[in-house]
Amino acid sequence: KAGVTQTPRYLIKTRGQQVTLSCSPISGHRSVSWYQQTPGQGLQFLFEYFSETQRNKGNFPGRFSGRQFSNSRSEMNVSTLELGDSALYLCASSGEGYEQFFGPGTRLTVL
Amino acid sequence: AQSVTQPDIHITVSEGASLELRCNYSYGATPYLFWYVQSPGQGLQLLLKYFSGDTLVQGIKGFEAEFKRSQSSFNLRKPSVHWSDAAEYFCAVDRDDKIIFGKGTRLHILP
Repeated sequence: KAGVTQTPRYLIKTRGQQVTLSCSPISGHRSVSWYQQTPGQGLQFLFEYFSETQRNKGNFPGRFSGRQFSNSRSEMNVSTLELGDSALYLCASSGEGYEQFFGPGTRLTVL
Repeated sequence: AQSVTQPDIHITVSEGASLELRCNYSYGATPYLFWYVQSPGQGLQLLLKYFSGDTLVQGIKGFEAEFKRSQSSFNLRKPSVHWSDAAEYFCAVDRDDKIIFGKGTRLHILP
């Protein structure tokens, strides 16, 4: 089985712009979760989608949003980018069990 | 509040030496517990997990972890480390489909 894929792998944006990141889960997995990883805050949960519905949400401002499509692929969007949004964004998918499988991440740099 | 504590930010061991990485969690009930490893520039890979049952769990790459309810701990061990084990290790708990990570322990290996 192919693993979790994330595109793009690297992204450079400027403050005020918006960005969309994509995640393709492992085939058959219906749950997709997003995490932000920064040196200062570590790994923080953003949100989780299951069958196109947001099932769980972390403590991030409304500028961070996401969605999931019928094929379980997920996107997350960050609007009005700030310097502090520079991070590695990780996506993870899970199937029937509780184990989450992580993608390689998208490295976002905001200038 | 639920949290995961990894008291050691950095640990250095010699190749061939034994390793123990500490993890403590604060929860009322027994959570689902995980250890993940992250190599530079990569996503997270699951080393092992504990849901219930035998408190000593075996994982990949020769790692094991022991769940101790009385100490609220889930320490990761390896009897003999290899240079390829140099990476960052994250302890995590899963509660309501939200994974909460510790801040991580970076492992350095001396030749």
